[in-house]
Amino acid sequence: DAGVIQSPRHEVTEMGQEVTLRCKPISGHNSLFWYRQTMMRGLELLIYFNNNVPIDDSGMPEDRFSAKMPNASFSTLKIQPSEPRDSAVYFCASSPRQGGGTGELFFGEGSRLTVL
Amino acid sequence: AQSVTQPDIHITVSEGASLELRCNYSYGATPYLFWYVQSPGQGLQLLLKYFSGDTLVQGIKGFEAEFKRSQSSFNLRKPSVHWSDAAEYFCAVGIINNNDMRFGAGTRLTVKP
Repeated sequence: DAGVIQSPRHEVTEMGQEVTLRCKPISGHNSLFWYRQTMMRGLELLIYFNNNVPIDDSGMPEDRFSAKMPNASFSTLKIQPSEPRDSAVYFCASSPRQGGGTGELFFGEGSRLTVL
Repeated sequence: AQSVTQPDIHITVSEGASLELRCNYSYGATPYLFWYVQSPGQGLQLLLKYFSGDTLVQGIKGFEAEFKRSQSSFNLRKPSVHWSDAAEYFCAVGIINNNDMRFGAGTRLTVKP
């Protein structure tokens, strides 16, 4: 079975440009998570969805960041405009657990973003 | 909110030696506890998890972890380390009825030949 698929794997862009990261969760998983990983701050939860509905976006750093999940098989994380401090590895993860509780997270390989 | 502390940023062990990675959590009730491993350039992979029951949990790749409520700890162990175990290891804690999983800062493991 295919795992969580993220694209692009690497993105280099200039400050001020719009960046869109994409994620396809594992089929049948009900929850989807976006994490950001940096040396300074480690793994930070940005936002998660249950059944395509955003549940908690308190980790989204600021209004420049937005995330959508139009259907069960696709999610995007958008940064507009991008800044150098957004440089990080962004991970998408999905989980089969429905609603309450915490289940195992299945991670994609990440999208490494560099903003010049 | 729950939190996780991994006191060791970097550990070096010789191949064949035993390994213990420390993890302490903070949460008022029984948490869900996880250990993940991340190889360079890869996402995180689950090694093992504790939800309830037996406090000694077996995972993949020969790893085990023991939940000690009195010490708020969930240390990861392996009796004999292989060179392929070199990676970053993350402890994580989740809570019932909440998808907010918090990760520790990670422990980077180096294996000497």
